Amino acid sequence: AQKITQTQPGMFVQEKEAVTLDCTYDTSDQSYGLFWYKQPSSGEMIFLIYQGSYDEQNATEGRYSLNFQKARKSANLVISASQLGDSAMYFCAMREGMDSSYKLIFGSGTRLLVRP
Amino acid sequence: KAGVTQTPRYLIKTRGQQVTLSCSPISGHRSVSWYQQTPGQGLQFLFEYFSETQRNKGNFPGRFSGRQFSNSRSEMNVSTLELGDSALYLCASSLEPGLAGYNEQFFGPGTRLTVL
Repeated sequence: AQKITQTQPGMFVQEKEAVTLDCTYDTSDQSYGLFWYKQPSSGEMIFLIYQGSYDEQNATEGRYSLNFQKARKSANLVISASQLGDSAMYFCAMREGMDSSYKLIFGSGTRLLVRP
Repeated sequence: KAGVTQTPRYLIKTRGQQVTLSCSPISGHRSVSWYQQTPGQGLQFLFEYFSETQRNKGNFPGRFSGRQFSNSRSEMNVSTLELGDSALYLCASSLEPGLAGYNEQFFGPGTRLTVL
């Protein structure tokens, strides 16, 4: 069964430093997508980055990069040069069946606090 | 381009009542998905609609239903409310598969439902 595991309930990082949020997944599909979302206290889910299972290069979006290790089934999010505004919940999610129904399975999330 | 909008933003109901939540997707998006977020269960997929058809449904009782209109706007309905239905209900929209950017699913601000 498809599953997303985020083992870090909470993390601290010093402002301007880099931080890695862990995510492992389990699926029997060959075609799948991995997503990271940020959820501030306001509640809205903000799309950060996407990695397809067939993408050979790690995805990057500004200060966000995804460390995709397919054999280990991990898709860690790296945030470089942390800012105070990065304090939020972060969710890893997976979508199977990329050409059909759009259904995301989410992990339990990691709460990130950036210290000044 | 306007984002995903959800109405109402906050709602208080009592047990046994029913509720209807509304979601307007980003212009041009034909896929609309609904998620329930609670502290105990996290983010769970409710259902997805595409071109007025339900394509996928999560593991929720029949009290939870939805529909999509020809303009892609979607509503979800919960009948006979229970205390456990108190949650943040998030709607997300996406382009159809095959179009550039279809892997991104954009979320609305959510409707926070409290059942007393």
